[in-house]
Amino acid sequence: EVQLVESGGGLVQPGRSLKLSCLASGFTFSNYGMNWIRQAPGKGLEWVASISSSSSYIYYADTVKGRFTISRDNAKNTLYLQMTSLRSEDTALYYCARPYYYSGGYFDYWGQGVMVTVSS
Amino acid sequence: DIVLTQSPALAVSLGQRATISCRASESVRSSMHWYQQKSGQQPKLLIYGASNLASGVPARFSGSGSGTDFTFTIDPVEADDIATYYCQQSRNDPLTFGSGTKLEIK
Repeated sequence: EVQLVESGGGLVQPGRSLKLSCLASGFTFSNYGMNWIRQAPGKGLEWVASISSSSSYIYYADTVKGRFTISRDNAKNTLYLQMTSLRSEDTALYYCARPYYYSGGYFDYWGQGVMVTVSS
Repeated sequence: DIVLTQSPALAVSLGQRATISCRASESVRSSMHWYQQKSGQQPKLLIYGASNLASGVPARFSGSGSGTDFTFTIDPVEADDIATYYCQQSRNDPLTFGSGTKLEIK
């Protein structure tokens, strides 16, 4: 059974940093590109970042470029999102998501999400 | 960025057909996908490539369209279908989602 379990969220002050993790199981993690997608409270979905299976290709939304860093450790089956210079508008539920096929742009497995609240 | 426009809400009677539209600001060919998100849950992929049913999804759900105009249909609507439905395009980076259509029962 495919599982994606996010962790590392919490309450953080503006300007501070936070690192999210997503532990994957039930599939060959190293074969898949992975993504972070977020959802602000009561709002819609926003793609945040993607990373290819071997970390060769990395993309970011303009809203987080230069502040967030996506990475992965295939030996640990874990995806990461390092978030720095956090702003109130980064407050959201952050999902990691696996594409339907190895590097596709649509997602058949999502984690439960981890909440990040940026507030003083 | 490609903007996807959805109507905010739709009210349908049980057993009837629900049709949700999604219009793209430029052509995405057939790279349109649909998700269902129930309250407090993560999104679930229903349709990919405009018209392909994802694994395990009932045939009551269907999708059509290409280019800039897409339609998602539930026929017949069941009580369990109460949710917000999102379209998403993967034709161009960045990936973008519509703002969602909340399906309500009359």
